[in-house]
Amino acid sequence: QVQLVQSGAEVKKPGSSVKVSCKASGGTFSSYAISWVRQAPGQGLEWMGGIIPIFGTANYAQKFQGRVTITADESTSTAYMELSSLRSEDTAVYYCAREGYCTGGVCYLNWFDPWGQGTLVTVSS
Amino acid sequence: QSALTQPASVSGSPGQSITISCTGTSSDVGGYNYVSWYQQHPGKAPKLMIYDVSNRPSGVSNRFSGSKSGNTASLTISGLQAEDEADYYCSSYTSSSTLTVFGGGTKLTVL
Repeated sequence: QVQLVQSGAEVKKPGSSVKVSCKASGGTFSSYAISWVRQAPGQGLEWMGGIIPIFGTANYAQKFQGRVTITADESTSTAYMELSSLRSEDTAVYYCAREGYCTGGVCYLNWFDPWGQGTLVTVSS
Repeated sequence: QSALTQPASVSGSPGQSITISCTGTSSDVGGYNYVSWYQQHPGKAPKLMIYDVSNRPSGVSNRFSGSKSGNTASLTISGLQAEDEADYYCSSYTSSSTLTVFGGGTKLTVL
């Protein structure tokens, strides 16, 4: 049973960057993808991007292209999401989630389960 | 504005059935069988309830079911229970550069 544990809450200044970690346990890190989804206060869910660790390739939503970097360290089963040029509108809870599964070199994606507990990132001057 | 359209709220009495709709386009919901549904209680992380339109993960009650017709997917909850009160989100793969889109969410109230 895969479990995802995220790093703690962050308070950042506008214009700075934040890096959130997501450590996986209870499964084979190379057998699935990891995606990042954020939720602004009182708002809905927004997919930011994801990575397939065994391939080392990341995909990003166009909205975040150039501002977000998603990486994965297979040696520690940890994924990272770094968001730069922060602005107040980036204040949100950031979730990591396992996306689908990979087998035989093929990945079946497009669903998210389980999710990490979420990391609140507050951007304020 | 979310890419997928959901009603802002639905309600039902215990024991009743309700359906939540999720309307997209032929570039997402209508074009692929990659619709999933999530339940989110206040202050908690979302939980997967349905994937690939109509598949239920292990451990999810069979009171939850999913379907799709054209560009609209639906989540039906039968035999409503108090603990079903939560926000529900649909999601779909999209051929646009966004890759994955969510609906705006539907608040379910159990009367």
